[in-house]
Amino acid sequence: DTGVSQDPRHKITKRGQNVTFRCDPISEHNRLYWYRQTLGQGPEFLTYFQNEAQLEKSRLLSDRFSAERPKGSFSTLEIQRTEQGDSAMYLCASSAGGDVGEKLFFGSGTQLSVL
Amino acid sequence: KQEVTQIPAALSVPEGENLVLNCSFTDSAIYNLQWFRQDPGKGLTSLLLIQSSQREQTSGRLNASLDKSSGRSTLYIAASQPGDSATYLCAVRGAGGTSYGKLTFGQGTILTVHP
Repeated sequence: DTGVSQDPRHKITKRGQNVTFRCDPISEHNRLYWYRQTLGQGPEFLTYFQNEAQLEKSRLLSDRFSAERPKGSFSTLEIQRTEQGDSAMYLCASSAGGDVGEKLFFGSGTQLSVL
Repeated sequence: KQEVTQIPAALSVPEGENLVLNCSFTDSAIYNLQWFRQDPGKGLTSLLLIQSSQREQTSGRLNASLDKSSGRSTLYIAASQPGDSATYLCAVRGAGGTSYGKLTFGQGTILTVHP
């Protein structure tokens, strides 16, 4: 068990460019979550998958954002036409599912800076 | 809409002190509450999870309590150490419907323990 892995750790991009982040959950976990965290704030929920199905999306997830989880394994989060307001830490988490009491295990995050 | 508030926003204590971090939430319809630790620039580490039917959980020097009816939780840290310095976040999981997959976080308490 190597934990939740996120790639890249840091991403610097120019406004208007597209970026894609990857998350590899703990291998036996069927639930995967994306959160966004800005400086001095707690994480905010973006979206949630159970296996390959995207079950919930926050209103924060505008049409420039898309998340996928093909085959219920790793997940990608893409941001199109980035804006400076997208600068944040993007956190991925996974859980075992099957019990509403399960703990979430977070990755180290991808820090996005939009110039 | 669930709102989570943490008090104090920051706390600085000498090594060895016992301390209490507070978390309050506005909607008592929760499945569970989790306390997390976050080191600078890193992801979140789950410390304790309390089910809505439970009153407290303990792990080592940490004890978390939950009073669901009043919308409050406390994290008690005994005999604090410099290594405890971090941001502590509480998060609640909503009780079903569209809230199921979503944790709502407080903004965190920044703890500094000085030698």
